[in-house]
Amino acid sequence: QKEVEQNSGPLSVPEGAIASLNCTYSDRVSQSFFWYRQYSGKSPELIMSIYSNGDKEDGRFTAQLNKASQYVSLLIRDSQPSDSATYLCAVNGADSNYQLIWGAGTKLIIKP
Amino acid sequence: NAGVTQTPKFQVLKTGQSMTLQCAQDMNHNSMYWYRQDPGMGLRLIYYSASEGTTDKGEVPNGYNVSRLNKREFSLRLESAAPSQTSVYFCASSYRGQSNGYTFGSGTRLTVV
Repeated sequence: QKEVEQNSGPLSVPEGAIASLNCTYSDRVSQSFFWYRQYSGKSPELIMSIYSNGDKEDGRFTAQLNKASQYVSLLIRDSQPSDSATYLCAVNGADSNYQLIWGAGTKLIIKP
Repeated sequence: NAGVTQTPKFQVLKTGQSMTLQCAQDMNHNSMYWYRQDPGMGLRLIYYSASEGTTDKGEVPNGYNVSRLNKREFSLRLESAAPSQTSVYFCASSYRGQSNGYTFGSGTRLTVV
C-alpha cells in the first residue's frame, strides 16, 4: 500500500515565525511532489511543486525534497494569519501518470 | 476565466436515490478527476479521465459511474446512494496527467440520509 504520511496537527506557530510542515512517502520511485493549501470549507489550491532533490523557493514558501530519506517538507517564512489552513502533501503514483497519493493534511494555525 | 465549475454545491439525498454531479472546465485541460474527501482520510480518487473518450477507475470506484461527455465536461453519477457516500466531492482537471498539478472545483457537499 503506497502511503503519504503527515502529522495531522494542529501545528500552532506565532505570527512572523517559520512554519515547518513535513511529509513522508513510501514509494521510492515517486518523481513528483506537491503541496496544496486548503482553507476550511474550500477546495485545495496548488502552492508548490518540486521534482528534484534540494530546495525550491517561491516567495515566502520553500519546498525541500530528500528522495533518499523519502521526505518532502514545506517551510513558510514570516507566517501570517492568512496562512492558517490545512496543508496537503501529494505524491505521484509511480505506476500511473494520472494518480496522486494524498496525505491527510496538517492543520496549521498562525497565532497573531 | 471560471476554471473548474461544479454543480450542485450542496445536496441531500435519501438512501437509494440517484443523482449526477456535474463538472466543467474551461482551461482546455485534457485530464479530469473525481475525488471524495472525508475527515482524516485525505483525498481519494474515484474515477479519472486521462483524455476525452477514456475513463478509468481510481481507488474507490464502487457505487459510482462517470461520463466524459466532451473535453470540457466530466460527470459523476451515484445510481443508488448510500450513507457511506456522504462526503465532499471535488472535481479537478490538469493539462496532462499529474505532473503540472491539478485545478480543483469548489466542491459538492453531499449528505445521504
